[in-house]
Amino acid sequence: DGGITQSPKYLFRKEGQNVTLSCEQNLNHDAMYWYRQDPGQGLRLIYYSQIVNDFQKGDIAEGYSVSREKKESFPLTVTSAQKNPTAFYLCASSTGILNNYGYTFGSGTRLTVV
Amino acid sequence: DQQVKQNSPSLSVQEGRISILNCDYTNSMFDYFLWYKKYPAEGPTFLISISSIKDKNEDGRFTVFLNKSAKHLSLHIVPSQPGDSAVYFCAASTSGTYKYIFGTGTRLKVLA
Repeated sequence: DGGITQSPKYLFRKEGQNVTLSCEQNLNHDAMYWYRQDPGQGLRLIYYSQIVNDFQKGDIAEGYSVSREKKESFPLTVTSAQKNPTAFYLCASSTGILNNYGYTFGSGTRLTVV
Repeated sequence: DQQVKQNSPSLSVQEGRISILNCDYTNSMFDYFLWYKKYPAEGPTFLISISSIKDKNEDGRFTVFLNKSAKHLSLHIVPSQPGDSAVYFCAASTSGTYKYIFGTGTRLKVLA
């Protein structure tokens, strides 16, 4: 079955550490996205990529980095520069042309700083 | 600046009755709108969409209404079922862009 897989489901990070969240899709989608969900704030866009080897900052990119070396993969690194990293992180993909079906989302990674 | 707003953080409805979830937007360039449903600790799933050339779209128990002059859309669920209990997000986009702007979500609770 085609889908989008995020791992791990839960992640704990010590302050000052970088961590990388994995996102893999086998939908042959061109575009991939990272969102962050905080209580009462909806989904906020961190980074997005329309094609391989290209990505753009979203609304809250500070303290995060991404790469897009393969079409299937869009890992997100939460760096020590991110002041408040505890959140639920969602990866999504789309065909690259916005249509009536929007995004396909992964099941999310909950990151907690301890 | 919140371009997509869902002003009701929560809503409780009796099973079998109608649920109405509302969404307002400020950007008149938005021309695609979607509703997503999200269960705890899961990713959102697509529910229903509407483009700005329509004012209504139906899919089974779900109907989305768009009022462009008021910059308002609503999702109607009839009849509501306990399994509909979830957080509902509306999202909007502009043709030619690659991203949707999401509202803050409304938590729907359907009481048995």
